[in-house]
Amino acid sequence: EIVLTQSPATLSLSPGERATLSCRASQSVSSYLAWYQQKRGQAPRLLIYDASKRATGIAARFSGSGSGTDFTLTISSLEPDDSAVYYCQQRSNWPPYSFGQGTKLEIK
Amino acid sequence: EVQLVESGGAVVQPGGSLRLSCVASGFTFEDYTMHWVRQAPGKGLEWVSLITLDGGSTFYADSVRGRFTISRDNNKNSLYLEMNSLRAEDTALYYCAKDLETTVTTGLSDWGQGTLVTVSS
Repeated sequence: EIVLTQSPATLSLSPGERATLSCRASQSVSSYLAWYQQKRGQAPRLLIYDASKRATGIAARFSGSGSGTDFTLTISSLEPDDSAVYYCQQRSNWPPYSFGQGTKLEIK
Repeated sequence: EVQLVESGGAVVQPGGSLRLSCVASGFTFEDYTMHWVRQAPGKGLEWVSLITLDGGSTFYADSVRGRFTISRDNNKNSLYLEMNSLRAEDTALYYCAKDLETTVTTGLSDWGQGTLVTVSS
Protein backbone atom coordinates (compact mmCIF):
# COMPACT_ATOMS: atom_id res chain seq x y z
CA GLU A 1 0.00 0.00 0.00
CA ILE A 2 1.26 3.45 -0.90
CA VAL A 3 1.51 5.79 2.08
CA LEU A 4 1.17 9.53 1.52
CA THR A 5 2.78 11.84 4.06
CA GLN A 6 1.73 15.48 4.11
CA SER A 7 3.65 18.35 5.62
CA PRO A 8 3.41 20.50 7.52
CA ALA A 9 0.57 19.28 9.72
CA THR A 10 -0.54 22.85 10.29
CA LEU A 11 0.26 26.04 8.44
CA SER A 12 -0.64 29.50 9.65
CA LEU A 13 -0.32 32.35 7.16
CA SER A 14 -1.75 35.79 6.48
CA PRO A 15 -3.98 36.88 3.60
CA GLY A 16 -1.97 37.62 0.49
CA GLU A 17 0.85 35.27 1.43
CA ARG A 18 1.84 32.21 -0.53
CA ALA A 19 1.11 28.75 0.86
CA THR A 20 3.16 25.69 -0.05
CA LEU A 21 1.81 22.28 0.99
CA SER A 22 3.76 19.09 0.49
CA CYS A 23 2.74 15.50 -0.16
CA ARG A 24 5.32 12.73 -0.29
CA ALA A 25 4.55 9.18 -1.50
CA SER A 26 6.22 6.06 -0.13
CA GLN A 27 6.83 4.96 -3.72
CA SER A 28 6.38 6.55 -7.11
CA VAL A 29 2.82 7.42 -8.10
CA SER A 30 3.90 8.96 -11.41
CA SER A 31 1.59 11.98 -11.85
CA TYR A 32 -1.44 10.21 -10.44
CA LEU A 33 -2.07 12.53 -7.52
CA ALA A 34 -5.05 14.67 -6.61
CA TRP A 35 -5.59 17.43 -4.06
CA TYR A 36 -8.78 18.17 -2.14
CA GLN A 37 -9.92 21.02 0.06
CA GLN A 38 -12.23 20.37 2.99
CA LYS A 39 -13.70 23.27 4.89
CA ARG A 40 -15.15 22.77 8.34
CA GLY A 41 -18.47 20.96 8.21
CA GLN A 42 -18.33 20.44 4.45
CA ALA A 43 -17.58 17.61 2.07
CA PRO A 44 -14.20 17.61 0.33
CA ARG A 45 -13.82 19.45 -2.96
CA LEU A 46 -11.52 18.36 -5.77
CA LEU A 47 -8.94 21.05 -6.54
CA ILE A 48 -6.23 19.38 -8.61
CA TYR A 49 -5.96 16.03 -10.39
CA ASP A 50 -3.12 14.32 -12.19
CA ALA A 51 -0.72 16.44 -10.15
CA SER A 52 -1.24 19.73 -11.99
CA LYS A 53 -4.65 19.88 -13.68
CA ARG A 54 -7.13 22.23 -12.07
CA ALA A 55 -10.65 20.90 -11.63
CA THR A 56 -13.56 22.83 -13.09
CA GLY A 57 -14.23 26.11 -11.35
CA ILE A 58 -11.03 26.13 -9.30
CA ALA A 59 -9.29 29.50 -9.11
CA ALA A 60 -5.97 29.94 -10.84
CA ARG A 61 -4.44 30.76 -7.44
CA PHE A 62 -4.37 27.03 -6.82
CA SER A 63 -1.66 25.10 -8.62
CA GLY A 64 -0.15 21.67 -8.30
CA SER A 65 3.25 20.35 -9.27
CA GLY A 66 5.48 17.33 -8.90
CA SER A 67 5.82 13.77 -10.07
CA GLY A 68 7.14 10.50 -8.75
CA THR A 69 7.17 10.80 -4.98
CA ASP A 70 7.16 14.54 -4.25
CA PHE A 71 4.24 16.86 -4.86
CA THR A 72 3.30 20.41 -3.98
CA LEU A 73 0.06 22.33 -3.77
CA THR A 74 0.64 26.06 -3.99
CA ILE A 75 -1.89 28.76 -3.20
CA SER A 76 -0.36 31.89 -4.64
CA SER A 77 -2.19 34.60 -2.72
CA LEU A 78 -4.17 33.47 0.26
CA GLU A 79 -7.69 34.61 0.94
CA PRO A 80 -9.56 34.20 4.24
CA ASP A 81 -11.84 31.64 2.59
CA ASP A 82 -8.87 29.32 1.95
CA SER A 83 -8.89 28.23 5.57
CA ALA A 84 -9.40 24.46 5.36
CA VAL A 85 -7.78 21.06 5.57
CA TYR A 86 -6.08 19.96 2.37
CA TYR A 87 -5.64 16.31 1.44
CA CYS A 88 -3.67 14.56 -1.28
CA GLN A 89 -4.79 11.24 -2.79
CA GLN A 90 -3.05 8.81 -5.11
CA ARG A 91 -4.54 6.63 -7.86
CA SER A 92 -1.37 4.95 -9.05
CA ASN A 93 -1.47 1.71 -7.13
CA TRP A 94 -4.91 0.73 -5.92
CA PRO A 95 -6.76 -0.42 -4.00
CA PRO A 96 -6.67 1.53 -1.86
CA TYR A 97 -6.91 5.02 -3.29
CA SER A 98 -5.01 6.23 -0.24
CA PHE A 99 -5.20 9.73 1.17
CA GLY A 100 -2.61 11.69 3.06
CA GLN A 101 -3.35 12.65 6.65
CA GLY A 102 -4.06 16.27 5.73
CA THR A 103 -2.57 19.73 6.23
CA LYS A 104 -4.60 22.26 8.16
CA LEU A 105 -4.24 25.74 6.72
CA GLU A 106 -5.15 28.61 9.01
CA ILE A 107 -5.49 32.15 7.76
CA LYS A 108 -4.50 34.68 10.41
CA GLU B 1 -26.20 20.10 -11.23
CA VAL B 2 -24.76 16.90 -9.79
CA GLN B 3 -26.38 15.84 -6.54
CA LEU B 4 -25.49 12.91 -4.31
CA VAL B 5 -27.70 12.30 -1.31
CA GLU B 6 -26.72 9.68 1.24
CA SER B 7 -29.01 8.10 3.79
CA GLY B 8 -29.17 5.15 6.13
CA GLY B 9 -26.73 6.20 8.81
CA ALA B 10 -27.69 5.30 12.36
CA VAL B 11 -26.46 4.22 15.77
CA VAL B 12 -25.83 0.48 15.74
CA GLN B 13 -24.35 -1.96 18.24
CA PRO B 14 -21.01 -3.66 17.64
CA GLY B 15 -21.53 -6.71 15.46
CA GLY B 16 -24.61 -5.18 13.88
CA SER B 17 -25.46 -4.39 10.28
CA LEU B 18 -26.49 -1.35 8.32
CA ARG B 19 -27.23 -0.47 4.72
CA LEU B 20 -26.29 2.94 3.35
CA SER B 21 -27.83 4.40 0.21
CA CYS B 22 -26.83 7.20 -2.13
CA VAL B 23 -29.22 8.60 -4.71
CA ALA B 24 -27.60 10.39 -7.63
CA SER B 25 -28.98 13.02 -10.00
CA GLY B 26 -27.74 15.56 -12.51
CA PHE B 27 -25.55 13.17 -14.49
CA THR B 28 -25.71 9.83 -16.31
CA PHE B 29 -25.17 7.57 -13.32
CA GLU B 30 -24.39 4.42 -15.31
CA ASP B 31 -21.41 6.13 -16.98
CA TYR B 32 -19.38 6.60 -13.81
CA THR B 33 -17.48 4.54 -11.30
CA MET B 34 -18.71 5.36 -7.81
CA HIS B 35 -16.96 5.35 -4.44
CA TRP B 36 -17.56 5.36 -0.72
CA VAL B 37 -15.16 7.37 1.42
CA ARG B 38 -15.41 7.72 5.18
CA GLN B 39 -14.17 10.13 7.82
CA ALA B 40 -14.01 9.26 11.50
CA PRO B 41 -14.85 12.13 13.86
CA GLY B 42 -12.00 14.65 13.84
CA LYS B 43 -9.89 12.46 11.55
CA GLY B 44 -8.83 12.35 7.92
CA LEU B 45 -10.35 10.78 4.85
CA GLU B 46 -10.29 7.03 4.27
CA TRP B 47 -11.22 5.49 0.94
CA VAL B 48 -13.56 2.54 1.53
CA SER B 49 -14.75 1.00 -1.72
CA LEU B 50 -15.51 1.48 -5.40
CA ILE B 51 -17.79 -0.11 -7.95
CA THR B 52 -17.39 0.08 -11.70
CA LEU B 53 -19.98 1.26 -14.21
CA ASP B 54 -22.07 -1.88 -14.49
CA GLY B 55 -21.27 -3.21 -11.06
CA GLY B 56 -19.10 -5.89 -12.55
CA SER B 57 -16.04 -5.07 -10.47
CA THR B 58 -15.77 -4.01 -6.86
CA PHE B 59 -12.78 -3.13 -4.70
CA TYR B 60 -12.36 -2.57 -0.98
CA ALA B 61 -9.98 -1.21 1.59
CA ASP B 62 -8.38 -3.94 3.69
CA SER B 63 -10.13 -2.57 6.77
CA VAL B 64 -13.58 -3.43 5.42
CA ARG B 65 -13.00 -6.28 2.98
CA GLY B 66 -15.16 -9.26 3.82
CA ARG B 67 -17.52 -7.19 5.96
CA PHE B 68 -18.79 -4.49 3.58
CA THR B 69 -20.41 -4.96 0.17
CA ILE B 70 -20.82 -2.20 -2.39
CA SER B 71 -23.53 -2.42 -5.03
CA ARG B 72 -25.47 -0.20 -7.40
CA ASP B 73 -28.78 -0.09 -9.23
CA ASN B 74 -28.37 1.92 -12.41
CA ASN B 75 -32.13 1.87 -13.01
CA LYS B 76 -32.63 3.69 -9.73
CA ASN B 77 -29.51 5.89 -9.96
CA SER B 78 -28.52 4.49 -6.60
CA LEU B 79 -25.38 3.32 -4.84
CA TYR B 80 -25.38 1.13 -1.76
CA LEU B 81 -23.03 -0.01 0.99
CA GLU B 82 -24.03 -3.06 2.99
CA MET B 83 -22.11 -3.05 6.26
CA ASN B 84 -21.91 -6.17 8.45
CA SER B 85 -20.00 -7.11 11.60
CA LEU B 86 -19.66 -3.45 12.45
CA ARG B 87 -16.93 -2.37 14.83
CA ALA B 88 -16.37 0.76 16.89
CA GLU B 89 -13.66 1.81 14.43
CA ASP B 90 -16.24 1.92 11.64
CA THR B 91 -17.79 4.96 13.30
CA ALA B 92 -17.57 7.71 10.71
CA LEU B 93 -19.30 10.02 8.30
CA TYR B 94 -19.72 8.05 5.09
CA TYR B 95 -19.55 9.95 1.80
CA CYS B 96 -20.70 8.81 -1.60
CA ALA B 97 -18.47 10.21 -4.36
CA LYS B 98 -18.38 10.25 -8.15
CA ASP B 99 -15.41 9.93 -10.45
CA LEU B 100 -14.37 13.00 -12.39
CA GLU B 101 -14.13 11.08 -15.66
CA THR B 102 -16.03 8.21 -17.20
CA THR B 103 -13.10 6.05 -18.24
CA VAL B 104 -10.70 6.17 -15.32
CA THR B 105 -10.56 7.38 -11.73
CA THR B 106 -8.53 10.60 -11.85
CA GLY B 107 -10.22 12.24 -8.90
CA LEU B 108 -13.48 12.39 -7.01
CA SER B 109 -15.25 15.37 -8.48
CA ASP B 110 -18.55 15.32 -6.61
CA TRP B 111 -19.41 14.31 -3.06
CA GLY B 112 -22.54 14.01 -1.04
CA GLN B 113 -22.89 15.58 2.40
CA GLY B 114 -22.41 12.24 4.12
CA THR B 115 -24.39 10.01 6.43
CA LEU B 116 -23.22 9.32 9.98
CA VAL B 117 -22.67 5.79 11.23
CA THR B 118 -22.06 5.34 14.95
CA VAL B 119 -21.13 1.93 16.29
CA SER B 120 -21.64 1.86 20.02
CA SER B 121 -23.22 -0.26 22.69
